[in-house]
This record gives sequence, C-alpha cells and structure tokens, in this order.
Amino acid sequence: SQKIEQNSEALNIQEGKTATLTCNYTNYSPAYLQWYRQDPGRGPVFLLLIRENEKEKRKERLKVTFDTTLKQSLFHITASQPADSATYLCALPVGGSYIPTFGRGTSLIVHP
Amino acid sequence: KAGVTQTPRYLIKTRGQQVTLSCSPISGHRSVSWYQQTPGQGLQFLFEYFSETQRNKGNFPGRFSGRQFSNSRSEMNVSTLELGDSALYLCASSSGAGKNTEAFFGQGTRLTVV
Repeated sequence: SQKIEQNSEALNIQEGKTATLTCNYTNYSPAYLQWYRQDPGRGPVFLLLIRENEKEKRKERLKVTFDTTLKQSLFHITASQPADSATYLCALPVGGSYIPTFGRGTSLIVHP
Repeated sequence: KAGVTQTPRYLIKTRGQQVTLSCSPISGHRSVSWYQQTPGQGLQFLFEYFSETQRNKGNFPGRFSGRQFSNSRSEMNVSTLELGDSALYLCASSSGAGKNTEAFFGQGTRLTVV
C-alpha cells in the first residue's frame, strides 16, 4: 500500500539552528509534493510546492529538496525561531489522483 | 481578500444526530475539499467538489455527504453521528484549475459527539 511517512517524534532544536524534517513515501511517483504548517486548533497553511522535475526550492528561510530516486523530501528551516514551532505536514498525490494525501506531520519545537 | 470561512467553529452533538457544516471558499475558487483530522488518523480526505459536482471522493461511509452551491459555497453533512466522528473538520479551497494548485484551509469546525 502507499504510505507517506513523517517522523512522529517531535523535533527539538535550539533557536538559530537549522531544522530538518523528513517526508518519505513509497509505491508511487508523485508529480509534486507540498509542505504545510499547522498550528494547534487551526487549519494547515501552505508553505511550498516542489515538482517532480525540481531538485530544490527556496523561500526565505525555507528550503525543500525532492529526491524521486530515494522517494524522499527534506524540509529545512534555517536560523530557526521559537515562532517556527508548529507541526509541519507534507502532502503529495497518490493513487493516480491529483488530490494530495497528507502525512501525519512532525512537531517542531524551537527553544529560545 | 477574505480567506476560507467555516461555520460553526465548535459543535457538540449527541450520538445518532446529524450535523451540517458550512464552508465559504476564497472568492473565485471553484474547488472545495473537505478533510477530517483526528489525532489517531491525521488529516484524511473526505471529498472534493468543483462547479457543484463531486469530483473526487475519499474512503468514508455514506453517512458523510456534501454538496456545493452555484456560488461555490459548500456544505458537508454527517448523519447518524458516532462517537468516532469527533474530529476537526477542515475545508480547503483552491482554484482547481490545474494539478499543482495549493490549498487554502479554513480554521475548521471542531465537532464533539457525546
């Protein structure tokens, strides 16, 4: 079956460091992959989309890589701040549909 | 421009009752998707509507239904509520014009079934 795996354990880092979150998927070749941020009690907020033919994408302090051979995307936040603390979700279309399926998300906690 | 608006924000219902949730998408967006989010299962896709037609459907029982109006506003209905239906229900709108479109989520409706 198709799976999207994100580390279920919270990632704790110190302010100023780079946070790296991982999204692994199996049994599919998605045309794109998205990353969202979700704060408690609120809906996810879109951050970045990377297409299958793109290796890397940047937006301000955010960087996403997409390795279709490893079936993995890495999400980096450089110079992290306590305000970056949230749950980060990856999403990609599976099963032939263009509707994205979401991973369970990884909680990031940035300590001052 | 205004974001995605979901009403109500909170609901408490009794088992066996039915509930209707509402979603107003971003102006100009024709696609509305509904998701259920629980701590155990994460964010799960319910269905998508585009131009008043259900275009995609997730793997949920028939008790979950939806519709979309000509102004793109959407409602979802859950009948014969079960305790396990307690969740955050999220609506997302997008232009629906292509495959690589980002989704804009509302704040969600927190449904508690007692």
